[in-house]
Amino acid sequence: AQSVSQHNHHVILSEAASLELGCNYSYGGTVNLFWYVQYPGQHLQLLLKYFSGDPLVKGIKGFEAEFIKSKFSFNLRKPSVQWSDTAEYFCAVNAITGGGNKLTFGTGTQLKVEL
Amino acid sequence: ETGVTQSPTHLIKTRGQQVTLRCSSQSGHNTVSWYQQALGQGPQFIFQYYREEENGRGNFPPRFSGLQFPNYSSELNVNALELDDSALYLCASSLRGAGGNTIYFGEGSWLTVV
Repeated sequence: AQSVSQHNHHVILSEAASLELGCNYSYGGTVNLFWYVQYPGQHLQLLLKYFSGDPLVKGIKGFEAEFIKSKFSFNLRKPSVQWSDTAEYFCAVNAITGGGNKLTFGTGTQLKVEL
Repeated sequence: ETGVTQSPTHLIKTRGQQVTLRCSSQSGHNTVSWYQQALGQGPQFIFQYYREEENGRGNFPPRFSGLQFPNYSSELNVNALELDDSALYLCASSLRGAGGNTIYFGEGSWLTVV
Protein backbone atom coordinates (compact mmCIF):
# COMPACT_ATOMS: atom_id res chain seq x y z
CA ALA A 1 0.00 0.00 0.00
CA GLN A 2 1.19 3.49 -0.76
CA SER A 3 1.83 6.17 1.83
CA VAL A 4 2.58 9.87 1.68
CA SER A 5 4.77 11.90 4.02
CA GLN A 6 4.66 15.65 4.37
CA HIS A 7 7.57 16.71 6.52
CA ASN A 8 6.47 20.20 7.47
CA HIS A 9 3.31 20.30 9.54
CA HIS A 10 3.33 24.04 10.19
CA VAL A 11 5.16 26.67 8.19
CA ILE A 12 5.18 30.40 8.88
CA LEU A 13 6.56 32.77 6.26
CA SER A 14 6.61 36.47 5.62
CA GLU A 15 5.09 37.82 2.44
CA ALA A 16 7.46 37.60 -0.56
CA ALA A 17 9.42 34.75 0.98
CA SER A 18 9.99 31.63 -1.07
CA LEU A 19 8.13 28.44 -0.25
CA GLU A 20 9.04 24.81 -0.56
CA LEU A 21 6.86 22.10 0.95
CA GLY A 22 8.20 18.57 0.99
CA CYS A 23 6.29 15.49 -0.09
CA ASN A 24 7.57 11.95 -0.33
CA TYR A 25 5.61 8.87 -1.23
CA SER A 26 6.20 5.17 -1.04
CA TYR A 27 5.07 3.14 -4.02
CA GLY A 28 7.25 1.45 -6.58
CA GLY A 29 4.92 1.59 -9.54
CA THR A 30 3.38 4.25 -11.70
CA VAL A 31 1.75 7.10 -9.84
CA ASN A 32 -0.22 10.22 -10.45
CA LEU A 33 0.70 13.03 -8.06
CA PHE A 34 -1.36 15.94 -6.85
CA TRP A 35 -1.20 18.96 -4.61
CA TYR A 36 -4.48 20.21 -3.19
CA VAL A 37 -5.07 23.38 -1.19
CA GLN A 38 -7.76 23.96 1.40
CA TYR A 39 -8.39 27.59 2.32
CA PRO A 40 -10.02 28.23 5.70
CA GLY A 41 -13.63 27.12 5.57
CA GLN A 42 -13.43 26.02 1.96
CA HIS A 43 -13.24 22.76 0.06
CA LEU A 44 -10.22 21.04 -1.41
CA GLN A 45 -9.01 22.68 -4.59
CA LEU A 46 -6.58 21.20 -7.08
CA LEU A 47 -3.36 23.22 -7.29
CA LEU A 48 -1.49 21.06 -9.76
CA LYS A 49 -1.02 17.51 -10.94
CA TYR A 50 1.57 15.26 -12.51
CA PHE A 51 0.64 12.34 -14.73
CA SER A 52 3.58 11.96 -17.10
CA GLY A 53 6.04 13.93 -19.21
CA ASP A 54 7.88 17.02 -17.98
CA PRO A 55 8.57 16.43 -14.28
CA LEU A 56 8.27 20.15 -13.56
CA VAL A 57 4.60 21.04 -13.50
CA LYS A 58 3.04 24.41 -13.10
CA GLY A 59 -0.25 25.00 -11.40
CA ILE A 60 -2.53 27.81 -10.48
CA LYS A 61 -1.57 30.91 -8.50
CA GLY A 62 2.12 30.66 -9.35
CA PHE A 63 2.72 27.28 -7.73
CA GLU A 64 4.90 24.61 -9.27
CA ALA A 65 6.10 21.17 -8.28
CA GLU A 66 8.89 18.90 -9.36
CA PHE A 67 8.58 15.15 -9.58
CA ILE A 68 11.88 13.42 -8.81
CA LYS A 69 11.26 9.73 -9.40
CA SER A 70 14.57 8.58 -7.91
CA LYS A 71 13.73 10.33 -4.65
CA PHE A 72 10.01 9.47 -4.66
CA SER A 73 9.40 13.17 -4.12
CA PHE A 74 6.97 15.78 -5.38
CA ASN A 75 7.85 19.03 -3.63
CA LEU A 76 5.70 22.13 -3.99
CA ARG A 77 7.32 25.50 -4.59
CA LYS A 78 6.38 29.13 -4.98
CA PRO A 79 9.00 31.85 -5.46
CA SER A 80 7.13 34.55 -3.57
CA VAL A 81 4.18 33.84 -1.27
CA GLN A 82 1.30 36.17 -0.57
CA TRP A 83 -0.86 36.59 2.51
CA SER A 84 -3.70 34.99 0.55
CA ASP A 85 -1.70 31.75 0.30
CA THR A 86 -2.46 31.08 3.95
CA ALA A 87 -4.09 27.66 3.82
CA GLU A 88 -3.53 23.97 4.35
CA TYR A 89 -1.71 22.10 1.60
CA PHE A 90 -2.11 18.40 0.93
CA CYS A 91 0.05 16.17 -1.22
CA ALA A 92 -1.73 13.13 -2.63
CA VAL A 93 -0.79 10.07 -4.62
CA ASN A 94 -2.90 7.89 -6.87
CA ALA A 95 -1.24 4.56 -7.51
CA ILE A 96 -2.09 3.34 -10.97
CA THR A 97 -3.25 -0.22 -10.32
CA GLY A 98 -5.79 -1.08 -12.98
CA GLY A 99 -7.91 2.00 -13.39
CA GLY A 100 -9.06 2.74 -9.89
CA ASN A 101 -8.76 6.27 -8.64
CA LYS A 102 -7.87 6.15 -4.98
CA LEU A 103 -5.97 9.04 -3.47
CA THR A 104 -3.70 8.62 -0.51
CA PHE A 105 -3.15 11.94 1.21
CA GLY A 106 -0.40 13.23 3.41
CA THR A 107 -1.28 14.75 6.77
CA GLY A 108 -1.12 18.25 5.37
CA THR A 109 1.01 21.35 5.91
CA GLN A 110 -0.54 24.39 7.50
CA LEU A 111 0.99 27.49 5.89
CA LYS A 112 0.62 30.88 7.49
CA VAL A 113 1.85 33.90 5.61
CA GLU A 114 2.38 37.01 7.69
CA LEU A 115 2.25 40.55 6.37
CA GLU B 1 -16.32 25.30 -8.97
CA THR B 2 -15.80 21.56 -9.42
CA GLY B 3 -19.30 20.51 -10.43
CA VAL B 4 -19.46 18.09 -7.50
CA THR B 5 -22.29 18.94 -5.13
CA GLN B 6 -22.96 17.46 -1.72
CA SER B 7 -25.83 17.62 0.72
CA PRO B 8 -26.42 18.39 3.46
CA THR B 9 -23.60 20.79 4.23
CA HIS B 10 -23.89 20.41 7.99
CA LEU B 11 -25.74 18.02 10.24
CA ILE B 12 -25.79 16.86 13.83
CA LYS B 13 -26.66 13.31 14.80
CA THR B 14 -26.83 11.39 18.04
CA ARG B 15 -24.61 8.42 18.77
CA GLY B 16 -26.24 5.21 17.51
CA GLN B 17 -28.25 6.91 14.80
CA GLN B 18 -27.86 6.44 11.07
CA VAL B 19 -26.96 9.08 8.49
CA THR B 20 -27.16 9.35 4.70
CA LEU B 21 -25.01 11.82 2.80
CA ARG B 22 -25.57 12.58 -0.86
CA CYS B 23 -23.37 13.54 -3.77
CA SER B 24 -23.95 14.57 -7.33
CA SER B 25 -20.92 13.93 -9.51
CA GLN B 26 -19.49 16.19 -12.15
CA SER B 27 -21.22 15.68 -15.48
CA GLY B 28 -19.62 12.86 -17.48
CA HIS B 29 -17.79 11.33 -14.52
CA ASN B 30 -18.40 7.63 -13.93
CA THR B 31 -16.45 7.11 -10.73
CA VAL B 32 -17.26 8.44 -7.30
CA SER B 33 -15.23 8.13 -4.13
CA TRP B 34 -15.88 9.08 -0.54
CA TYR B 35 -13.32 10.36 1.93
CA GLN B 36 -13.41 11.14 5.63
CA GLN B 37 -11.42 14.14 6.86
CA ALA B 38 -11.14 14.37 10.60
CA LEU B 39 -10.14 17.69 12.12
CA GLY B 40 -6.46 18.41 11.55
CA GLN B 41 -5.88 15.43 9.30
CA GLY B 42 -5.73 14.61 5.62
CA PRO B 43 -8.67 12.93 3.91
CA GLN B 44 -8.88 9.17 4.31
CA PHE B 45 -10.28 7.00 1.52
CA ILE B 46 -13.50 5.23 2.49
CA PHE B 47 -14.54 3.55 -0.76
CA GLN B 48 -15.06 4.04 -4.45
CA TYR B 49 -17.90 3.17 -6.82
CA TYR B 50 -17.65 2.55 -10.52
CA ARG B 51 -20.64 1.57 -12.62
CA GLU B 52 -22.75 1.15 -9.49
CA GLU B 53 -20.43 -1.38 -7.87
CA GLU B 54 -17.96 -0.91 -5.03
CA ASN B 55 -14.50 -0.82 -6.54
CA GLY B 56 -12.06 -0.45 -3.71
CA ARG B 57 -12.41 0.15 0.00
CA GLY B 58 -10.24 1.71 2.64
CA ASN B 59 -9.88 0.74 6.27
CA PHE B 60 -13.43 1.46 7.34
CA PRO B 61 -15.91 -0.94 9.00
CA PRO B 62 -18.96 -2.39 7.21
CA ARG B 63 -21.28 0.10 8.89
CA PHE B 64 -19.95 2.52 6.27
CA SER B 65 -21.76 1.65 3.06
CA GLY B 66 -22.60 3.33 -0.19
CA LEU B 67 -24.55 3.36 -3.38
CA GLN B 68 -23.98 4.72 -6.84
CA PHE B 69 -26.99 5.33 -9.04
CA PRO B 70 -27.31 5.07 -12.85
CA ASN B 71 -26.96 8.83 -13.15
CA TYR B 72 -23.65 8.49 -11.22
CA SER B 73 -24.95 10.26 -8.14
CA SER B 74 -24.02 8.59 -4.90
CA GLU B 75 -24.89 8.09 -1.26
CA LEU B 76 -22.77 7.37 1.78
CA ASN B 77 -24.58 5.65 4.63
CA VAL B 78 -23.18 5.29 8.12
CA ASN B 79 -25.00 3.12 10.65
CA ALA B 80 -24.62 3.02 14.42
CA LEU B 81 -22.86 6.38 14.54
CA GLU B 82 -19.98 6.79 16.95
CA LEU B 83 -18.50 9.99 18.33
CA ASP B 84 -15.33 9.42 16.26
CA ASP B 85 -17.39 9.55 13.09
CA SER B 86 -17.54 13.32 13.53
CA ALA B 87 -15.69 14.65 10.48
CA LEU B 88 -15.96 16.30 7.11
CA TYR B 89 -17.13 13.78 4.50
CA LEU B 90 -15.91 14.50 1.01
CA CYS B 91 -17.26 13.19 -2.24
CA ALA B 92 -14.94 13.08 -5.21
CA SER B 93 -15.71 12.30 -8.82
CA SER B 94 -13.53 11.37 -11.75
CA LEU B 95 -13.64 9.78 -15.16
CA ARG B 96 -12.09 6.35 -15.05
CA GLY B 97 -9.88 5.55 -17.98
CA ALA B 98 -6.37 4.85 -19.10
CA GLY B 99 -3.60 7.09 -17.89
CA GLY B 100 -4.04 9.85 -15.42
CA ASN B 101 -7.29 10.92 -13.87
CA THR B 102 -8.03 14.19 -12.18
CA ILE B 103 -10.21 13.84 -9.11
CA TYR B 104 -12.53 16.67 -8.18
CA PHE B 105 -13.89 17.21 -4.71
CA GLY B 106 -17.15 18.60 -3.46
CA GLU B 107 -17.38 21.02 -0.57
CA GLY B 108 -18.15 18.28 1.88
CA SER B 109 -20.71 17.47 4.52
CA TRP B 110 -19.81 18.30 8.09
CA LEU B 111 -21.11 15.60 10.41
CA THR B 112 -21.13 16.10 14.16
CA VAL B 113 -22.05 13.14 16.33
CA VAL B 114 -23.06 13.98 19.89
